[in-house]
Amino acid sequence: NAGVMQNPRHLVRRRGQEARLRCSPMKGHSHVYWYRQLPEEGLKFMVYLQKENIIDESGMPKERFSAEFPKEGPSILRIQQVVRGDSAAYFCASSREQGGGYGYTFGSGTRLTVV
Amino acid sequence: GQNIDQPTEMTATEGAIVQINCTYQTSGFNGLFWYQQHAGEAPTFLSYNVLDGLEEKGRFSSFLSRSKGYSYLLLKELQMKDSASYLCAVRDSGRTALIFGKGTTLSVSS
Repeated sequence: NAGVMQNPRHLVRRRGQEARLRCSPMKGHSHVYWYRQLPEEGLKFMVYLQKENIIDESGMPKERFSAEFPKEGPSILRIQQVVRGDSAAYFCASSREQGGGYGYTFGSGTRLTVV
Repeated sequence: GQNIDQPTEMTATEGAIVQINCTYQTSGFNGLFWYQQHAGEAPTFLSYNVLDGLEEKGRFSSFLSRSKGYSYLLLKELQMKDSASYLCAVRDSGRTALIFGKGTTLSVSS
C-alpha cells in the first residue's frame, strides 16, 4: 500500500531550464496539494488540484509555475526558466476527501537545486 | 490576514515532558493539525483538533482553545527519536489547504 510517491527525490537544474516534479497520490486519494519549503521557513501552500481541475492556486507565483493533475497519471508541478530563488524542497500531499479530518499524507519531497 | 506563531526552538532531556505552543489568527477555522518532520523527510501526521479540549494519543496530546486561537502539543516521556521539527497547521474555513507555521525544532538530549 504505497504512500504518496514523489520523483525525483533530487533535481539539479541550470538557470533557465525547466523543472518537472511528479506526484502520485495515495491509492484512493483524489485531492492533491503542492507545498514549497525554503530553509528555515514553513511549508507554503502553492496549489490544490483534483483530477483535471485546479481548485485553488492562490499560492502559485503568477509566472513560470503551473500545475496539472490529469485524468490518468501523476500530478505535475512545472517550473519554467528556473532561477536560483526556486531552489527549495517541494512537497506533495494527498487526501481522500475534501476537508478530511485525518490530515494529509505527504510525500518525501523533491529537492530542487538551481545552479 | 493569516498568521500562525510557534517558538523557533526548544530543548529538553530524555524522559521529560515538553509543551509546544501555537497561536493562530485566521479569517476562519476548520481544524488544527500537528505534524512531525525529521530533517530531510516528509511531514507525518500527529493530531487533529476541531473542537475545544484535549486529544490524547499515546505519548502525544494536543489541546485546542478556539476562543483564544491557541493550541499546544504535549510530548511525554521524551525519547531521542523525538528530536524533530513540529509543525502547527490550520485549515481555514472554506478552504481545504493547510496553512503552516514555521515549525518548532525540538532537540532532545540524554
